[in-house]
Amino acid sequence: ETGVTQSPTHLIKTRGQQVTLRCSSQSGHNTVSWYQQALGQGPQFIFQYYREEENGRGNFPPRFSGLQFPNYSSELNVNALELDDSALYLCASSSRTELYEQYFGPGTRLTVT
Amino acid sequence: GNSVTQMEGPVTLSEEAFLTINCTYTATGYPSLFWYVQYPGEGLQLLLKATKADDKGSNKGFEATYRKETTSFHLEKGSVQVSDSAVYFCALTPKNSGNTPLVFGKGTRLSVIA
Repeated sequence: ETGVTQSPTHLIKTRGQQVTLRCSSQSGHNTVSWYQQALGQGPQFIFQYYREEENGRGNFPPRFSGLQFPNYSSELNVNALELDDSALYLCASSSRTELYEQYFGPGTRLTVT
Repeated sequence: GNSVTQMEGPVTLSEEAFLTINCTYTATGYPSLFWYVQYPGEGLQLLLKATKADDKGSNKGFEATYRKETTSFHLEKGSVQVSDSAVYFCALTPKNSGNTPLVFGKGTRLSVIA
């Protein structure tokens, strides 16, 4: 069974740039959620994707957007990067029969300078 | 709204000491409750869960009981090891939510010294 994988591991961007983060869900999981974890804080829900559509969104501006592909993998896109976007971005996958159990990837550490 | 409050860390214990990390929650209805652990440089791992009142979740010697009357889900372990050093997050999922986002506490850092 393959776990949740994310790429890249680390990323450094400049304020104003755009970034794309990628996530492959665990085998058998069709739902992907994205979270932002600022340093010293708990993860904050960004949005969730199911059947290639956004299925819920947290309190994040529209410059945070996403995609889900037919193989259930997902992308998180952030436009017009701000310094406060520096964080660990976590992807989590779950199955529709076990919605309450989310399995997390190792995360992508984004630094905005 | 939904929220989770954890005891502030860091918590430093000697090996074989007893561990308690307090967690209380606010939620509409009866949420599912979770403890996640984050080891240095890694993502989150599900440690244990409870989906209804009085359920006890347990894993790797850790336990937590879903207490509806006190809206609590305290994490306990009878004898900690150095390898338990990590950040522990209490979380909930509102069951009336179709998109099941996890709501996390701020985390409690545990350091166990030999």
